[in-house]
Amino acid sequence: ETGVTQTPRHLVMGMTNKKSLKCEQHLGHNAMYWYKQSAKKPLELMFVYSLEERVENNSVPSRFSPECPNSSHLFLHLHTLQPEDSALYLCASSRKPGLSTDTQYFGPGTRLTVL
Amino acid sequence: AQSVAQPEDQVNVAEGNPLTVKCTYSVSGNPYLFWYVQYPNRGLQFLLKYITGDNLVKGSYGFEDEFNKSQTSFHLKKPSALVSDSALYFCAVNNAGNMLTFGGGTRLMVKP
Repeated sequence: ETGVTQTPRHLVMGMTNKKSLKCEQHLGHNAMYWYKQSAKKPLELMFVYSLEERVENNSVPSRFSPECPNSSHLFLHLHTLQPEDSALYLCASSRKPGLSTDTQYFGPGTRLTVL
Repeated sequence: AQSVAQPEDQVNVAEGNPLTVKCTYSVSGNPYLFWYVQYPNRGLQFLLKYITGDNLVKGSYGFEDEFNKSQTSFHLKKPSALVSDSALYFCAVNNAGNMLTFGGGTRLMVKP
């Protein structure tokens, strides 16, 4: 509905698993973002990619590894996660990197549960 | 540094009544302010933003916003609430490039 899609929508994984979240934007944007939304906490910005280059990493643990192969696709690779990593992971994109007035458009999110 | 606060966890309104969801901000420099809405099991949908100019901004679905620089507030308003407006509302501020900082969210409940 917003031009940003995310798969899978739901994911359950054990602490020893390796999985990946995928985001795709169909809006012709040049910046992409990963956010974490946990219960009772504000949305936390995790990573920012601008023209496929990572420009922001907000002290995220190394068990989260982003990848941006092109301006339309963004991945979040997960390994050896902890139960406290259970959250809704949201992807977003915007037109012009580094422009504070630019609107970010969000995907529907992946609901991740770590057992 | 930039920050934004939503002082109310929940707002209850009767259908047909006006609604206000409050937001205050703290930034150094020009504030660029955004409102998003989140329905259950969905991502965030953009509603409106204030960049510069008129203090009253009109956005999607009949929502509007009143920017008040002296009170550093950016309250979301709608003249007549609908039951379908019930959702989680987030305000956000951005004056540092890609860094969008969100408030904690306000749950709006519109009762028939």
